[in-house]
Amino acid sequence: GAVVSQHPSWVICKSGTSVKIECRSLDFQATTMFWYRQFPKQSLMLMATSNEGSKATYEQGVEKDKFLINHASLTLSTLTVTSAHPEDSSFYICSARDQGGYTFGSGTRLTVV
Amino acid sequence: GEDVEQSLFLSVREGDSSVINCTYTDSSSTYLYWYKQEPGAGLQLLTYIFSNMDMKQDQRLTVLLNKKDKHLSLRIADTQTGDSAIYFCGRSGGYNKLIFGAGTRLAVHP
Repeated sequence: GAVVSQHPSWVICKSGTSVKIECRSLDFQATTMFWYRQFPKQSLMLMATSNEGSKATYEQGVEKDKFLINHASLTLSTLTVTSAHPEDSSFYICSARDQGGYTFGSGTRLTVV
Repeated sequence: GEDVEQSLFLSVREGDSSVINCTYTDSSSTYLYWYKQEPGAGLQLLTYIFSNMDMKQDQRLTVLLNKKDKHLSLRIADTQTGDSAIYFCGRSGGYNKLIFGAGTRLAVHP
């Protein structure tokens, strides 16, 4: 089946630094990928839709300058959390559209200290 | 996802059936999904149903869709401790987006 690889699985960074999270489709091409943020009380919030070769589409309330998305190839999308602050600490999950539906990465736990 | 709603918690005894319910507001959804999330992990697709179907069964899982009432349910027969997880109901939306409910935490006890 389709596999989406996401890394790092966890990262701790200092406040004010930037962190890049990668999402790769391993055995299929994904023109569209999605980035979610999961809050402590479990709900999943769609942050943005990543489109290969064009600008990402952000959901209402998500700062595009804060969460930079790049989808430069058919198998790789990256999310960069810029100038991270403790309130950005969260679990970030990517997914890719494939023939069977949506396949998810294993998530990245970001902790900003 | 305020347009997809689920109860937040369900507790069942091992061996019993679990029924997780979901309601949604957008009737244009083409597919409806159930995903499972174990602690610290990503989401695993359990099953999905096309909007013109009423029911889908896959081993211990049964999905019922009432399109008129915009109600989706997931029944897990013979629930085991390994089924303890968070279950997300999701609907496909515009631009192929997948919108989730808040998730239902299923706790299975002996």
